Amino acid sequence: GAVVSQHPSRVICKSGTSVKIECRSLDFQATTMFWYRQFPKQSLMLMATSNEGSKATYEQGVEKDKFLINHASLTLSTLTVTSAHPEDSSFYICSATGDPGDGELFFGEGSRLTVL
Amino acid sequence: ILNVEQSPQSLHVQEGDSTNFTCSFPSSNFYALHWYRWETAKSPEALFVMTLNGDEKKKGRISATLNTKEGYSYLYIKGSQPEDSATYLCASTNTGNQFYFGTGTSLTVIP
Repeated sequence: GAVVSQHPSRVICKSGTSVKIECRSLDFQATTMFWYRQFPKQSLMLMATSNEGSKATYEQGVEKDKFLINHASLTLSTLTVTSAHPEDSSFYICSATGDPGDGELFFGEGSRLTVL
Repeated sequence: ILNVEQSPQSLHVQEGDSTNFTCSFPSSNFYALHWYRWETAKSPEALFVMTLNGDEKKKGRISATLNTKEGYSYLYIKGSQPEDSATYLCASTNTGNQFYFGTGTSLTVIP
């Protein structure tokens, strides 16, 4: 199956700093990438959808200026949590669909963000 | 937002036991039901995708069924092994191909 790699797996940062998480498709071209967030005991919630070369589409309630998404190439999307605060502490995971897409999602390993 | 529910939230079984768990989803605008196996610190791994009412899929000791009319899917594991310990995640997609995930069922198989 297709491989998606996500880094870092864990990050601890101070309040007010920015954190960048990378999501790479290693053996396929990912035309669309998705970013999800999961709080404890809750389901994966879609934050935004990004298509290569265009602006991301954010879900309702997700601040686009706080969660900056860049999908500059067919193999890389980044999520930057700007001016992170403790309430941003969560598990973030990316997924991608290939080209041509069959609707299946391929996931990264996820990133655990802790903001002190 | 589709409300996808999984039960139980967690369960512990003895090695060799068979087990099953449930994913329920709204029937309206249903397109597909996906099952993933998610081990700690790894990526969720796709197990099955089913679209038609009555679909049954099997991969080794793991199988799944789909009832789109009543909005549920069962995942069965026959003769559980410790390596089956993981979180099993289901997701329903609608005709817009947006994924809606359940909270997962955490399975622990005790040797």
